[in-house]
Amino acid sequence: DQQVKQNSPSLSVQEGRISILNCDYTNSMFDYFLWYKKYPAEGPTFLISISSIKDKNEDGRFTVFLNKSAKHLSLHIVPSQPGDSAVYFCAASAPTGNQFYFGTGTSLTVIP
Amino acid sequence: DTAVSQTPKYLVTQMGNDKSIKCEQNLGHDTMYWYKQDSKKFLKIMFSYNNKELIINETVPNRFSPKSPDKAHLNLHINSLELGDSAVYFCASSQGTKETQYFGPGTRLLVL
Repeated sequence: DQQVKQNSPSLSVQEGRISILNCDYTNSMFDYFLWYKKYPAEGPTFLISISSIKDKNEDGRFTVFLNKSAKHLSLHIVPSQPGDSAVYFCAASAPTGNQFYFGTGTSLTVIP
Repeated sequence: DTAVSQTPKYLVTQMGNDKSIKCEQNLGHDTMYWYKQDSKKFLKIMFSYNNKELIINETVPNRFSPKSPDKAHLNLHINSLELGDSAVYFCASSQGTKETQYFGPGTRLLVL
């Protein structure tokens, strides 16, 4: 039973435009969310996080938005750069748990 | 210096063999993990150790046995390999079970 879902397996965006990657979750107890970026033949690397007490967190070109009522989060990258081309995973954890649940990832291609 | 390292990076072996994958982290973290990424790209936790003690043991065949000789190492031994074990195995570490995880580069296992 997959508690974190990324329904778009791939996304293509022109360089300089905004990339929006989406993530949905089913467990209303989740209170901490992460985005990871993964290049081919490498492990995932941490990108940005958000706690459920916030609805937005920004770090440079990356912004994560959290909509708790919709159980939805999104990652915005603006402006998108070719080096952003990678697979992006979202992950979530609950306060009572001791693990993160990962989505299946969205492959982003930024076209020069 | 690599923060989380895994060896080997690639492993091709026959069905029925026994193999080990090693993981080491030099971040001083107290928690280490093994994840399996299957053909559907789903990143699923297998095991987690905190201070050398097993804290997560998901539904994994008992052919898989993790061993943590110290806080910096978490090895994965797999007995009687099966075709379905073919996947990418990622090791990760974090400081505490709710903190950001740092991943190794992955071990690509192919069972023939």
